[in-house]
Amino acid sequence: GEDVEQSLFLSVREGDSSVINCTYTDSSSTYLYWYKQEPGAGLQLLTYIFSNMDMKQDQRLTVLLNKKDKHLSLRIADTQTGDSAIYFCAESTTNAGKSTFGDGTTLTVKP
Amino acid sequence: DAGVTQSPTHLIKTRGQQVTLRCSPKSGHDTVSWYQQALGQGPQFIFQYYEEEERQRGNFPDRFSGHQFPNYSSELNVNALLLGDSALYLCASSPDGTGRPYEQYFGPGTRLTVT
Repeated sequence: GEDVEQSLFLSVREGDSSVINCTYTDSSSTYLYWYKQEPGAGLQLLTYIFSNMDMKQDQRLTVLLNKKDKHLSLRIADTQTGDSAIYFCAESTTNAGKSTFGDGTTLTVKP
Repeated sequence: DAGVTQSPTHLIKTRGQQVTLRCSPKSGHDTVSWYQQALGQGPQFIFQYYEEEERQRGNFPDRFSGHQFPNYSSELNVNALLLGDSALYLCASSPDGTGRPYEQYFGPGTRLTVT
């Protein structure tokens, strides 16, 4: 079945770039997403990429997709303390609605 | 414009009891999905409702059931609660019956604790 894996923790200094990595197993994944979850809150969709794309940039966020290796990354430029949160990678196929999530990467930004 | 709302915020139940969680989708959305997020884990898909029917289901037992009303709001029911059902239950809505996850908005969740 589908599986999504992420490293559990990442710590960076304010102003540095953060890179969060994710691997997935389902070769039929069509959509890949990054969500942010702050303490006590639901999930906020940060960005997504279609499987026919290699890269997507949205302000401070850059998503890179290596479909051959089934590897997805999220780069946050100029990381701020407000970026401290749990970041989830997720994937879905063309099946409507069902997304498979990783267990999240806790990003800690130190001043 | 209100986003996705869920009630209650927190709930404590005893093993064996039954619970009902509620969700109101974002205005203009007609598809509702439910997820279970155990502590320290990512959300797991329970099921999705569209046009008052369960359209897709994840790997959850029949103790988990749901309903969607004509106004698109939805309920999640869990019978015979187990300790392992303790989790944050997230509702997500999306528009136009597509269920396209990239147009999916999540609510703040209901924290269920089973003792």
